[in-house]
Amino acid sequence: GQNIDQPTEMTATEGAIVQINCTYQTSGFNGLFWYQQHAGEAPTFLSYNVLDGLEEKGRFSSFLSRSKGYSYLLLKELQMKDSASYLCAVYTGNNRKLIWGLGTSLAVNP
Amino acid sequence: GAVVSQHPSRVICKSGTSVKIECRSLDFQATTMFWYRQFPKKSLMLMATSNEGSKATYEQGVEKDKFLINHASLTLSTLTVTSAHPEDSSFYICSASGQGPYQPQHFGDGTRLSIL
Repeated sequence: GQNIDQPTEMTATEGAIVQINCTYQTSGFNGLFWYQQHAGEAPTFLSYNVLDGLEEKGRFSSFLSRSKGYSYLLLKELQMKDSASYLCAVYTGNNRKLIWGLGTSLAVNP
Repeated sequence: GAVVSQHPSRVICKSGTSVKIECRSLDFQATTMFWYRQFPKKSLMLMATSNEGSKATYEQGVEKDKFLINHASLTLSTLTVTSAHPEDSSFYICSASGQGPYQPQHFGDGTRLSIL
């Protein structure tokens, strides 16, 4: 079967660092994506990992370990506008479909 | 780059009406487009995958005759909700993926459909 696990909710403080974990068990693996979705809006693409290691993009970084079936999204210098749902998705190679996690709702408090 | 335009953003109509939603990739060729449905505070639910020039592949439980998908060109896909009823009210989102093996899906802004 296909399974992606993320924490349901997280809370952090403005200016802090937060790490959102994602573990997956899928029948194939051709990359892992992270998306951000604000309430009432469509998802926006944040990052993509296909090889092991850390990809850094400004305040956001994403890490992948294929042997462990594990990824995390690291958000630094948190801002209030980072309050959103963060979706982890795996591309298995099947007709470009993504297997989606249920998302982690992050609340950033002042 | 990688802009996807979805129109209309909001539709309110009477039960029994058919509603067409358009999804366009503005600055890239979308070999594959996806249609999702999302209920409040729930995850994305994939409805169907469409490749340009071929029939859409529907996910299990999605009615093909109810949700008509056409992907006539590399930049345009349409979803028609036929004879819509209140239970079809939802947030519908399209995404598009370009050529190449590891292209991310880029999303339109979504269409909020309300059937009275």
